[in-house]
Amino acid sequence: DVKVTQSSRYLVKRTGEKVFLECVQDMDHENMFWYRQDPGLGLRLIYFSYDVKMKEKGDIPEGYSVSREKKERFSLILESASTNQTSMYLCASGGVRDTQYFGPGTRLTVL
Amino acid sequence: QQQVKQSPQSLIVQKGGISIINCAYENTAFDYFPWYQQFPGKGPALLIAIRPDVSEKKEGRFTISFNKSAKQFSLHIMDSQPGDSATYFCAASGGTTGANNLFFGTGTRLTVIP
Repeated sequence: DVKVTQSSRYLVKRTGEKVFLECVQDMDHENMFWYRQDPGLGLRLIYFSYDVKMKEKGDIPEGYSVSREKKERFSLILESASTNQTSMYLCASGGVRDTQYFGPGTRLTVL
Repeated sequence: QQQVKQSPQSLIVQKGGISIINCAYENTAFDYFPWYQQFPGKGPALLIAIRPDVSEKKEGRFTISFNKSAKQFSLHIMDSQPGDSATYFCAASGGTTGANNLFFGTGTRLTVIP
């Protein structure tokens, strides 16, 4: 059974804190993605990685950075969390013109 | 700018009825149109997908209808069941704009009443 796991289901942080969201996939996929999901806005791509140490900005990269040191692991970093980054964060692996497999999501609240 | 426009935002259907969700796009270079289903507390999961060389694709009770000239595609759920209650997202990718990006619609929350 294919799997994408995310390090936390729920996270509460303070404004200005550095936040790490971790994602691991076991399908040996080249591509990994970070999305945020907000009511009425659907899923929006933050960053995309097509290989180890390779990344590309998505639609809403401002305030975020990513790290991909190993093929199976893709991390999303909020350098200085702000309240407008309160959201559901979804990691996925797979294709752009093929199935993307999503993790269960991390609900981040920034106070 | 929303690359894929989805409607309705929410939908209530009686058990056994037909659920219809519509999506529209502008970028004629898009060539892959999936639908994802998301249950509460879970990540989205691919339900069914179509490419523009066919006008319809059916998998069980789920059918995608695709109208290339109108730049629209829709999901039909026949004989809707309470277990189909979920949020559904259409999406599109392809061309240079969508080369690395799967653009999602805003989602439709479907409730099937027993």
